Amino acid sequence: DAGVIQSPRHEVTEMGQEVTLRCKPISGHDYLFWYRQTMMRGLELLIYFNNNVPIDDSGMPEDRFSAKMPNASFSTLKIQPSEPRDSAVYFCASSLVLAYSGELFFGEGSRLTVL
Amino acid sequence: SQKIEQNSEALNIQEGKTATLTCNYTNYSPAYLQWYRQDPGRGPVFLLLIRENEKEKRKERLKVTFDTTLKQSLFHITASQPADSATYLCAPAHTDKLIFGTGTRLQVFP
Repeated sequence: DAGVIQSPRHEVTEMGQEVTLRCKPISGHDYLFWYRQTMMRGLELLIYFNNNVPIDDSGMPEDRFSAKMPNASFSTLKIQPSEPRDSAVYFCASSLVLAYSGELFFGEGSRLTVL
Repeated sequence: SQKIEQNSEALNIQEGKTATLTCNYTNYSPAYLQWYRQDPGRGPVFLLLIRENEKEKRKERLKVTFDTTLKQSLFHITASQPADSATYLCAPAHTDKLIFGTGTRLQVFP
């Protein structure tokens, strides 16, 4: 398997623009997670899905952030409008079982810079 | 709220020595705890999972301990090598989620 695939790897945009990050989980994994990593706050869970259904979005910072999973092989994280404080590396991860009891497989991340 | 502390200072050790990294957590009692390795510009990679009823877990040169009384996990790498240089993240589980520490950077020099 190719692992979790994220795109784009790097995104530079201007404040106010819409940003869409994409993720393809490992086939057969029922859980998909979106994390954000910054130097100050480390890895923070934004939202996770089980069988394409959002289960917990309590980590989504505000209404500017939204995530969807239209099918088992694709998810998007959208920021509209983007702000400089959204600059971070965004990771997608998938797993066979619920996160705490099994390993998470992470993608290589999407580095977002908002000017 | 849940808090996880890992030594933010980098740990520098000589090749062949044992590296010991510390993870302390407060305000909750995780049933599971995981450790991940992260290289620069890459996503975290799973290393080990330990359950609350397990005191110790080993995998090759890696050993993890889990002390639920002290609310602490120790991560050991024996016979360390320069290739072990990376950031190591601990992730004690809170209900259905993993909460990650900010990580400790390990540098192994020849």
